[in-house]
Amino acid sequence: GAGVSQSPRYKVAKRGQDVALRCDPISGHVSLFWYQQALGQGPEFLTYFQNEAQLDKSGLPSDRFFAERPEGSVSTLKIQRTQQEDSAVYLCASSLDRVDEQYFGPGTRLTVT
Amino acid sequence: KNEVEQSPQNLTAQEGEFITINCSYSVGISALHWLQQHPGGGIVSLFMLSSGKKKHGRLIATINIQEKHSSLHITASHPRDSAVYICAVMNYGGSQGNLIFGKGTKLSVKP
Repeated sequence: GAGVSQSPRYKVAKRGQDVALRCDPISGHVSLFWYQQALGQGPEFLTYFQNEAQLDKSGLPSDRFFAERPEGSVSTLKIQRTQQEDSAVYLCASSLDRVDEQYFGPGTRLTVT
Repeated sequence: KNEVEQSPQNLTAQEGEFITINCSYSVGISALHWLQQHPGGGIVSLFMLSSGKKKHGRLIATINIQEKHSSLHITASHPRDSAVYICAVMNYGGSQGNLIFGKGTKLSVKP
């Protein structure tokens, strides 16, 4: 079956632009996580959804970051007024339930110039 | 101090060698993941374990909850095993489910 997909795979944005990153989780997966991975580092938690409810957004680095999952399936991570420090790979993962094994998408590599 | 520490950071091996990657953590966990990341970013889950030992093919993962330590072993290593191996712990408690990642171990297996 289809795994987790993310689009775009690569995004180059000029500083100050807004970007939107999409995640299509595995069908039927209740839980969806967003992670940020800076170059040479391990991923770091950004936010968590259970169906359409954003239950944890403690990892979002600033109020420029916003995530939604309005129908409990596809999720979008939006970054407003991008800064160079936002350059990273943004990973999405989904799981059947919060404590189950997580399945990762290929990531979106964001480069802010 | 990072909550999840991996060693070594980089590892070069000859094809056929037995490889061990270590992970130590300092928080209470409900489970530990071993993940594989190839160039290009995609992450594949290798193991999720909360006790004892698991084996898939040439890969073996062990965890000692009391010592807060896990190891990933690769037997008869092959160049296709070259990747970054990441240990991630699933937090216990309020943020249960959120993964805390180590920085990864970059493995290069030479033919």
